[in-house]
Amino acid sequence: NAGVTQTPKFQVLKTGQSMTLQCAQDMNHNSMYWYRQDPGMGLRLIYYSASEGTTDKGEVPNGYNVSRLNKREFSLRLESAAPSQTSVYFCASTYVAGTSGGATDTQYFGPGTRLTVL
Amino acid sequence: DAKTTQPPSMDCAEGRAANLPCNHSTISGNEYVYWYRQIHSQGPQYIIHGLKNNETNEMASLIITEDRKSSTLILPHATLRDTAVYYCIVDRAGTASKLTFGTGTRLQVTL
Repeated sequence: NAGVTQTPKFQVLKTGQSMTLQCAQDMNHNSMYWYRQDPGMGLRLIYYSASEGTTDKGEVPNGYNVSRLNKREFSLRLESAAPSQTSVYFCASTYVAGTSGGATDTQYFGPGTRLTVL
Repeated sequence: DAKTTQPPSMDCAEGRAANLPCNHSTISGNEYVYWYRQIHSQGPQYIIHGLKNNETNEMASLIITEDRKSSTLILPHATLRDTAVYYCIVDRAGTASKLTFGTGTRLQVTL
């Protein structure tokens, strides 16, 4: 199993350019997440997808869009990049059993995409 | 408001136990305590979680106080590879687990 994979690993954009960050998981997880991490800070949730076909905003959604392409893939799009979006982006996934089950929803993280917007 | 409070940094000698504290005085009855760590600039890694009983796995032990207002993560024999930022998080399980990361504790293991 590859776990959670992210592409690209590094990217440099100019202000106003667009790009899509790709994330895929092979663990048959139902929930997927996008976080960003600024220098010296903890991770902040951008968007998440509790199950295939659903997406919801997290703490910092402005300037981003997401697509849950299928159960395996969850992409993050920057339509018009800004220097404030310079960050490391992490994708994560987990299997959420629902409130009737125990706490089994451990999140597994990808290696991150390091994005610089000039 | 922050759900957890952790010291910003700690040091530990290699081979000794590392005890990382966390305060979560407003934890709800259905919230679990999770610990993750982030080594250098890698993605966070799950360590352990618990509700009210103490827990142990191959990586660490988690001690939760009886009133559940604080907990301690114990790495029994710290190595240089345990140098990382450790995050204590409280969250309800089974609800798409939107983890809220604070700034964590930076643990430096030294020779």
